[in-house]
Amino acid sequence: DGGITQSPKYLFRKEGQNVTLSCEQNLNHDAMYWYRQDPGQGLRLIYYSQIVNDFQKGDIAEGYSVSREKKESFPLTVTSAQKNPTAFYLCASSISEYGKLFFGSGTQLSVL
Amino acid sequence: RKEVEQDPGPFNVPEGATVAFNCTYSNSASQSFFWYRQDCRKEPKLLMSVYSSGNEDGRFTAQLNRASQYISLLIRDSKLSDSATYLCVVNMLSSNTGKLIFGQGTTLQVKP
Repeated sequence: DGGITQSPKYLFRKEGQNVTLSCEQNLNHDAMYWYRQDPGQGLRLIYYSQIVNDFQKGDIAEGYSVSREKKESFPLTVTSAQKNPTAFYLCASSISEYGKLFFGSGTQLSVL
Repeated sequence: RKEVEQDPGPFNVPEGATVAFNCTYSNSASQSFFWYRQDCRKEPKLLMSVYSSGNEDGRFTAQLNRASQYISLLIRDSKLSDSATYLCVVNMLSSNTGKLIFGQGTTLQVKP
């Protein structure tokens, strides 16, 4: 079945540590996105990519980094510069940047 | 003013009731609109797109009012399983930080 897979489901970060969240899709979608969701709030865009080897900052990119070396993969690294990383992270893809979004099941990141 | 605004609720309604949510947007040039459903700590899933002429899918009706810059979602004959958060999503073409803007969501609780 086609879909978008995020891992891990739960992740814990120690002080000063970088952690990487995985996102893989086999939908052959061009565009991929990373969103952050805090309790009681809507989704905020961290980074997005419309094509391999290209990506743009979203509204809250500071403290995060991404890569897009393959069409299928769009990993997100939460760096030690992100001082408040505890949140629910959602990866999504779409056929084009204006298209409907398909989401992965999310990663809950917490700080130890 | 937020680009996309929703009443967070919660809306508490009995089974069988009709309930409506509104979502206002600030950019009059916005081109596409969506309603997503999100269950607690799960990924959002597309409920329906919103077309200029209005559209219906079973018990759900979506409407767009461009003059007043809002979209609405009407749920008839509410079921317990309709309990969720409903996210309004607007394609903000003028945004340079990603094209899709999410509202914070409206929580619906359907009671027996």
